[in-house]
Amino acid sequence: GAGVSQTPSNKVTEKGKYVELRCDPISGHTALYWYRQSLGQGPEFLIYFQGTGAADDSGLPNDRFFAVRPEGSVSTLKIQRTERGDSAVYLCASSLGDFSYEQYFGPGTRLTVT
Amino acid sequence: GQNIDQPTEMTATEGAIVQINCTYQTSGFNGLFWYQQHAGEAPTFLSYNVLDGLEEKGRFSSFLSRSKGYSYLLLKELQMKDSASYLCAVRTDYKLSFGAGTTVTVRA
Repeated sequence: GAGVSQTPSNKVTEKGKYVELRCDPISGHTALYWYRQSLGQGPEFLIYFQGTGAADDSGLPNDRFFAVRPEGSVSTLKIQRTERGDSAVYLCASSLGDFSYEQYFGPGTRLTVT
Repeated sequence: GQNIDQPTEMTATEGAIVQINCTYQTSGFNGLFWYQQHAGEAPTFLSYNVLDGLEEKGRFSSFLSRSKGYSYLLLKELQMKDSASYLCAVRTDYKLSFGAGTTVTVRA
């Protein structure tokens, strides 16, 4: 079956602009996660959804970052007033639920802020 | 906070064995994971340990000692395609905390 998909694969934007990154999880997966990976580092947790609600958004770096999952499937990560330090690969992962240990990762969106 | 340490780089010869160590200090523990990540690609799941001991899966094995906060990933009969970054991750509740990754280079 289809895996986790993310669009766009690459996004270049100017400092100060607004961007949206989309994640389509595996069908039937209720849990969805966003991570951010900087060069030479492991992924860093941003936010976790169980169904439509954000169960844990403690990893969001500041209030410029926001994510939604209105119908419990597709999720959008929104970044306002982008800064050069936001440049990274944004990874989305999904799993069957809280008690399913394996998270399946998408290919990521590479965000470059110029 | 979470502290997960693993070596930055390792080099080995095709056909050899390499062991990647990972030590962790985390607030909570609900399993330790190893992921493989090729450059520019998504991490892919390799192994999962939640109880002490060795888990074997083909050419890959993973070991966990919870009392020591220690795990290792053993890669046997190395192949060129095994050249990648290997990420150690600890699960606390539902989220994963990752180490920085170990880049393994396999030489002919």
